[in-house]
Amino acid sequence: DVKVTQSSRYLVKRTGEKVFLECVQDMDHENMFWYRQDPGLGLRLIYFSYDVKMKEKGDIPEGYSVSREKKERFSLILESASTNQTSMYLCASSNKNFGVVNTEAFFGQGTRLTVV
Amino acid sequence: QQPVQSPQAVILREGEDAVINCSSSKALYSVHWYRQKHGEAPVFLMILLKGGEQKGHDKISASFNEKKQQSSLYLTASQLSYSGTYFCGTESRNDYKLSFGAGTTVTVRA
Repeated sequence: DVKVTQSSRYLVKRTGEKVFLECVQDMDHENMFWYRQDPGLGLRLIYFSYDVKMKEKGDIPEGYSVSREKKERFSLILESASTNQTSMYLCASSNKNFGVVNTEAFFGQGTRLTVV
Repeated sequence: QQPVQSPQAVILREGEDAVINCSSSKALYSVHWYRQKHGEAPVFLMILLKGGEQKGHDKISASFNEKKQQSSLYLTASQLSYSGTYFCGTESRNDYKLSFGAGTTVTVRA
């Protein structure tokens, strides 16, 4: 019954490392999202993608990039990890409704990333 | 830009009602509501697509005032299971971007 799967629940990385967070959905959804969740700040959108190879900046894209080579997979990349990127990262997917809006979004269980 | 939610937190006794508000500085095409329990992923409650539309989920309902760019979530006769953090997500027209607010933590006590 798993729909959105994130590759790791917990990650510990060193400052300056390149970090890849992977997300796979099995619902054939067109839209995929990456959020980070921090206490008091809620869910902040980093990047999203509405089609294969398409990517759009969210509200806090600085320090991140993404890749979507296949419809089911959306990767978040931290080119050079910093301590202020320590956070919970959530991936989500949804479909288009009438070609315009997002339908119900399904979230993965999250990846708790610690940068030391 | 994130929508603004209020209040940040609310404590209720079982059976009490509460309202959570969500507002945006941009014109909205849709509003989503989700609930996240501790240690779990957010779960979809409902989506509102038209101005003035009201939807319900058990005793949880919501309204969407398109003109005011606001939505409200109503928790009626709250149950212990309603505890969690509620997030509103908003979309502007012609934009698949789904941005969420900072959340409202609801604690329901017996």
